[in-house]
Amino acid sequence: GAVVSQHPSRVICKSGTSVKIECRSLDFQATTMFWYRQFPKKSLMLMATSNEGSKATYEQGVEKDKFLINHASLTLSTLTVTSAHPEDSSFYICSAHEGGNTEAFFGQGTRLTVV
Amino acid sequence: AQSVTQLDSQVPVFEEAPVELRCNYSSSVSVYLFWYVQYPNQGLQLLLKYLSGSTLVESINGFEAEFNKSQTSFHLRKPSVHISDTAEYFCAVSDQDGATNKLIFGTGTLLAVQP
Repeated sequence: GAVVSQHPSRVICKSGTSVKIECRSLDFQATTMFWYRQFPKKSLMLMATSNEGSKATYEQGVEKDKFLINHASLTLSTLTVTSAHPEDSSFYICSAHEGGNTEAFFGQGTRLTVV
Repeated sequence: AQSVTQLDSQVPVFEEAPVELRCNYSSSVSVYLFWYVQYPNQGLQLLLKYLSGSTLVESINGFEAEFNKSQTSFHLRKPSVHISDTAEYFCAVSDQDGATNKLIFGTGTLLAVQP
């Protein structure tokens, strides 16, 4: 199956700093990528939909100025957590779709810890 | 809007016993249905999916799920589980409109296989 690489897998940062997470589709072009946040023992919460070359669409309650999403190419989307605080600590997962394909391919996830 | 309900947060089962993980959904439109598996600190892997056709779908590792439209269910079953099946299982839906391929997840069921 298609491969989606997410980097870094783990990151620890100080409160107030920004962290960038990358999501790459390695062997296909991803016209749409999704960013999810997963709390412990909870489901995945969709944060935003990222379409190549256009602004991301954020879900209700997600601060677009805090979670900056860029999808500059068909193989790369980035999520930047700006001015991170301890409550932003979570597991962030991206997924990617190729064209009209219904199947989502997920990255390995990023464990963010803000201290 | 769609929603997914996984009533069981955790299902303990002995090795080689059968198991059923329940999933019910709510939607005003026709949907595609998915089961994903997540191993600790990893992303999600597609286990199986129902798009159309036969209501019984199977995975390569012995799981199967049956789409029941009248009961709006898509329960996951395996006749004999292995220790290696221990993981978190997520049921998900997306609407057949397919404009966004947005996935809505259930809260997950931890399958804990005991020797």
